Amino acid sequence: DIQMTQSPSSLSASVGDRVTITCRASQDIRNDLGWYQQKPGKAPRRLIHAASSLQSGVPSRFSGSYSGTEFTLTISSLQPEDFATYYCLQHSDYPPTFGQGTKVEIK
Amino acid sequence: HLQLQESGPGLVKPSETLSLTCTVSGDSFRRSDFSWGWFRQPPGKGLEWIGNIFHSGFTYYNVSLSARVTISGDPSRTQLSLELRSVSAADTAVYYCASLDYSETTGLPLDWGQGTLVTVSS
Repeated sequence: DIQMTQSPSSLSASVGDRVTITCRASQDIRNDLGWYQQKPGKAPRRLIHAASSLQSGVPSRFSGSYSGTEFTLTISSLQPEDFATYYCLQHSDYPPTFGQGTKVEIK
Repeated sequence: HLQLQESGPGLVKPSETLSLTCTVSGDSFRRSDFSWGWFRQPPGKGLEWIGNIFHSGFTYYNVSLSARVTISGDPSRTQLSLELRSVSAADTAVYYCASLDYSETTGLPLDWGQGTLVTVSS
């Protein structure tokens, strides 16, 4: 199985901060990766697909990038509605595997 | 956005079978560029893939669950079904269905149902 190592597991940040979350794949997954936001009691919401393509309707403060097997989700200016848990998901090979999640909390 | 809605019992006894249905809005269930999947999330934990069904009817399952799980689709009812047999407390989770694009790969979830909590307890 492809392991997705996500870091950090949690972070505290203030409104307006720039936030970066990283997922590292245990092998080459090309750009077959998505990023999701999940709020308590809600289903995940897709933010990014193909590692760097912004999902329609998602604010432009969210962006994705990658280099080799390292993938990054960046929130350029954290907003109050962005406090949530974020997950990466690789869909390159079976089984599709999620990162462990990053909980973004208010400082 | 597609509308997906999971339904089924919220409480299942140990060793019995968990059965859930996901109803998909409109005609999207018949789209050949989509596949469909089930995921779950134990309380306070991360997300886990259960399995997929493709437009062809072909299915892929998580190896850890494959001996106990069946996913099927009913295009006439635009419904997706999940059956998980011989459940234990470890199967307690919120279960989600999702539409998947990027079907040339394993598929990437696009739209999700709201999720349904299934508790396994006697």
